[in-house]
Amino acid sequence: NAGVTQTPKFRILKIGQSMTLQCTQDMNHNYMYWYRQDPGMGLKLIYYSVGAGITDKGEVPNGYNVSRSTTEDFPLRLELAAPSQTSVYFCASSYTGTYNEQFFGPGTRLTVL
Amino acid sequence: GQNIDQPTEMTATEGAIVQINCTYQTSGFNGLFWYQQHAGEAPTFLSYNVLDGLEEKGRFSSFLSRSKGYSYLLLKELQMKDSASYLCVATDSNYQLIWGAGTKLIIKP
Repeated sequence: NAGVTQTPKFRILKIGQSMTLQCTQDMNHNYMYWYRQDPGMGLKLIYYSVGAGITDKGEVPNGYNVSRSTTEDFPLRLELAAPSQTSVYFCASSYTGTYNEQFFGPGTRLTVL
Repeated sequence: GQNIDQPTEMTATEGAIVQINCTYQTSGFNGLFWYQQHAGEAPTFLSYNVLDGLEEKGRFSSFLSRSKGYSYLLLKELQMKDSASYLCVATDSNYQLIWGAGTKLIIKP
């Protein structure tokens, strides 16, 4: 059981570039989440999904897009990267809703210059 | 607005006991989590309280008072590996999670 895996671990983007952060879980969890964590701040929810084909916005969705074509995968797309998107991005999953513990991937450290 | 308050940083001695406090203001309430996050790593689950009272799990215990909007995490017999940030997370009436900024715990020998 790998749990939640994320790629890449580190990435540097130039302003205006785009990229996709990959997230895969092998625990057959229905719920998946994308968070960003800025230094000294709490986690902010970007998007979440309650199952394949269903996604919804979180607290800070602007500048991001997601898709959920399978139970296992939940990629996060950054379009037209901006310096404000410099952050650590965590993908997480839980078996059911947010009253269950979440399992986190190792994170992607993104810098936009 | 919805808010979580917890101390930014605390220092304790190896072998001692430390209590990390958390107060929350949410629209409704459906439980409170504590997560541990080592520097440069992902958060990992520690506890979840829904009802008032103390839940003990080995060296870690978590307390909740719903009427006071208050929780604490108690760590006993501190070890150097307990140096980490501890995140308090409240769940509102819509089961949305409100994450605190975390308390950085420094353990000194």
